[in-house]
Amino acid sequence: DGGITQSPKYLFRKEGQNVTLSCEQNLNHDAMYWYRQDPGQGLRLIYYSQIVNDFQKGDIAEGYSVSREKKESFPLTVTSAQKNPTAFYLCASRSSGSNQPQHFGDGTRLSIL
Amino acid sequence: GENVEQHPSTLSVQEGDSAVIKCTYSDSASNYFPWYKQELGKRPQLIIDIRSNVGEKKDQRIAVTLNKTAKHFSLHITETQPEDSAVYFCAASIWSDYKLSFGAGTTVTVRA
Repeated sequence: DGGITQSPKYLFRKEGQNVTLSCEQNLNHDAMYWYRQDPGQGLRLIYYSQIVNDFQKGDIAEGYSVSREKKESFPLTVTSAQKNPTAFYLCASRSSGSNQPQHFGDGTRLSIL
Repeated sequence: GENVEQHPSTLSVQEGDSAVIKCTYSDSASNYFPWYKQELGKRPQLIIDIRSNVGEKKDQRIAVTLNKTAKHFSLHITETQPEDSAVYFCAASIWSDYKLSFGAGTTVTVRA
């Protein structure tokens, strides 16, 4: 999965601040996804995009925003409206062909200062 | 939406023994069921997946079974080794959008 790059690895947010997490893939995948992982819990879907310039809310989209201006990039912004942002954030991508699984990046760990 | 439940939350096995993790799902339209392995601080890695037109799939020491009528699927690891120690997640989705709904995870510890 070396083709999915998330940055930074660690990120700290101050109160009232928006922060943006980067996700880039060079796999020519059409679909991209953002998940949040909290300790002892499974991954929860924040947003996903199946094609450039289009994206849909997942199960926990409140307090987050995304854009998909380029096929290879799907940045996630954690806004000040997200009151509990401390978590491990994982980006994934998938080819649009049938029977293609999702592959994950290495994640970004976000903490509150 | 889809709800996936996973049991047990922790599993400790002696090296060489088998480990079994079970998941149930709620949406009968789900037809794709992957299993991911995640080591501490690392990305989830796909280890095996199964689709609803198949009842069982095996890859070396790992096998997955699916019962669509009962809406449950299981992961079986045979001849466990210390490197099998990790958190395992099951997931379910519909082929059309691959929105994965994950179970809460099972922490597997293989005792040497």
